[in-house]
Amino acid sequence: NAGVMQNPRHLVRRRGQEARLRCSPMKGHSHVYWYRQLPEEGLKFMVYLQKENIIDESGMPKERFSAEFPKEGPSILRIQQVVRGDSAAYFCASSPTATLGYGYTFGSGTRLTVV
Amino acid sequence: EDQVTQSPEALRLQEGESSSLNCSYTVSGLRGLFWYRQDPGKGPEFLFTLYSAGEEKEKERLKATLTKKESFLHITAPKPEDSATYLCAVHHATGNQFYFGTGTSLTVIP
Repeated sequence: NAGVMQNPRHLVRRRGQEARLRCSPMKGHSHVYWYRQLPEEGLKFMVYLQKENIIDESGMPKERFSAEFPKEGPSILRIQQVVRGDSAAYFCASSPTATLGYGYTFGSGTRLTVV
Repeated sequence: EDQVTQSPEALRLQEGESSSLNCSYTVSGLRGLFWYRQDPGKGPEFLFTLYSAGEEKEKERLKATLTKKESFLHITAPKPEDSATYLCAVHHATGNQFYFGTGTSLTVIP
């Protein structure tokens, strides 16, 4: 029973390029959450998605960032025209319902480095 | 603004030396308080959920407690494999997100 799978584990992009981060939730989980962890900071919520719907994107920067969770395939977090400040670890989590009594299951993250 | 503050930032213990980690929070309407463990290079691993003041949960050498304004993670007779960063997060009655603290980095020395 695979956990939450994120890829790539490490991603290096030059300033101005696009970064695509993928997340496959646990089997049976239809709720996906993206968090960003900057150095020396706590995990910050970015976006909450269900299949084909964005439920809450209140933590997402208004420009350059977008997320989707299509009917088929993984959830994608896309960062366009990356800047050095986007360097961080991006974590995806999933849950089977919106009730969070047992917490999320997190993936191992994608570490984005912008050079 | 909702806030979660963890202390200490870092803690070094000798193997077998018990201690406690603190998580204080200010949140309007707590739906749940969560403890996670995070190892280097990995995602957070769920440990406990606490819902109301007075509640306690235990797992092996860890025990989590909750009051109206803070939570403690007690570590009894820790072992080197307990070394990790311990994260606290709160979920309030409205909204879909967790608010995470910056964690306590625990090192247990053999």
